[in-house]
Order: sequence, then structure tokens, then C-alpha cells
Amino acid sequence: NAGVTQTPKFQVLKTGQSMTLQCAQDMNHEYMSWYRQDPGMGLRLIHYSVGAGITDQGEVPNGYNVSRSTTEDFPLRLLSAAPSQTSVYFCASSYGRWQEETQYFGPGTRLLVL
Amino acid sequence: GDSVTQMEGPVTLSEEAFLTINCTYTATGYPSLFWYVQYPGEGLQLLLKATKADDKGSNKGFEATYRKETTSFHLEKGSVQVSDSAVYFCALRGIINTGTASKLTFGTGTRLQVTL
Repeated sequence: NAGVTQTPKFQVLKTGQSMTLQCAQDMNHEYMSWYRQDPGMGLRLIHYSVGAGITDQGEVPNGYNVSRSTTEDFPLRLLSAAPSQTSVYFCASSYGRWQEETQYFGPGTRLLVL
Repeated sequence: GDSVTQMEGPVTLSEEAFLTINCTYTATGYPSLFWYVQYPGEGLQLLLKATKADDKGSNKGFEATYRKETTSFHLEKGSVQVSDSAVYFCALRGIINTGTASKLTFGTGTRLQVTL
């Protein structure tokens, strides 16, 4: 198993550009989520999905869209990048949606918006 | 809402010293508690977890006990190594207010530096 994979590893954007961060898992996990990591703030939930076709907002959803057309993939779209979106983005997945399940994280995408 | 507070870093220890990283939480219901570790340039790896009160999670010499009465989940290791140098995150997984799923809430992380 490759686990949770993310591409790209690093990206530089100009303000106003759009892009998609890719996330895939090969563990047949039901639950997938996106977090951003900023210095001194831990990780914050952007969006999550409890299964194909079902998505919902987390704590900091503004400026981001998601979709879940398959169990394996959960891309994160930045519609019009802003410098405030400079961050490290982590995708995570777990077998189930409830508290006792462990979430497994991808290696992250480092995004710089100029 | 849910929150996690962990001790500020950095924590600097000599090899073979005893480690404690404090973590306390506030949450409704019955969350699960986790410690994740992040090595430089890498993603988060699960270190250990506990899913109910009085459970002890352990892995690679690290331990933490889920204390409901003190709302704490302190991380300990009896003898640290240079290879333990990393950032450690305490987290809880609790029910989202819609009741349809759960989410992780993280502390801000504690950087551990172990020297020879």
C-alpha cells in the first residue's frame, strides 16, 4: 500500500491563480479530510468527506473547494489564490468517520502564494 | 468547541533524559486522544492513541494515559534519544456539531531537541 499520497510536493503561485492539490489513498478509507498547517496554530480542518459524493466544510473553508467523485481521490481546489493561503496542506484519511478511528496523513504540499 | 492545549516549546534535553510533554483538552462527549509526531520535512505520523478514559497508549517507549478526571493526556518517555528530535502534536478526535462525523482538533505542537 502506498497509503495517502499528495501531489505536488511544492508549488509557487501568483495571487489570483487557481490550482488543484491532489490527494489519493489506496486503503479503501471512507473518511478523507484536508488540513492546513500554519506556524503556531497547529493544523486546522478545511473540508472533509464521509464518502464518495459527500463533502462538508471544516473550520476554515473559505477560498477552497472540494469534490469526492471516487472513494480514492479527494482533490482540493484553490479558486483564486491569495497570500493568506501560503501554508502546508495535509490530506488525511481514516477507515471510518468516528472518534476511535486513526487518521493517516499524507506527506504534505507546501504552497507559496506571491 | 473542542480545544487542546500543550506545553510551549522548544524542549531541549540531553540524551537519556526523561521526557514529559503536557497536554490538556476540553471537549464534549467522549473523544479519542492521539499523539502525532512530525519529523523535519515530513508529514504527521501516529505515535500512540487512547480511545477511552484510563486507557494507556504506548509505542516506541512513549506512553500517555487518558485521564478524564484531569482532562489530560501527557506524553512521557523514560530515556530519549537524538532520533526522537521532532515536533509532537497532541490531538483529540471528537464529534462535529452536525453529529454526522468527527474531526481532529490539534494543539500547537511542541518541538523537542535532544542533544548528545
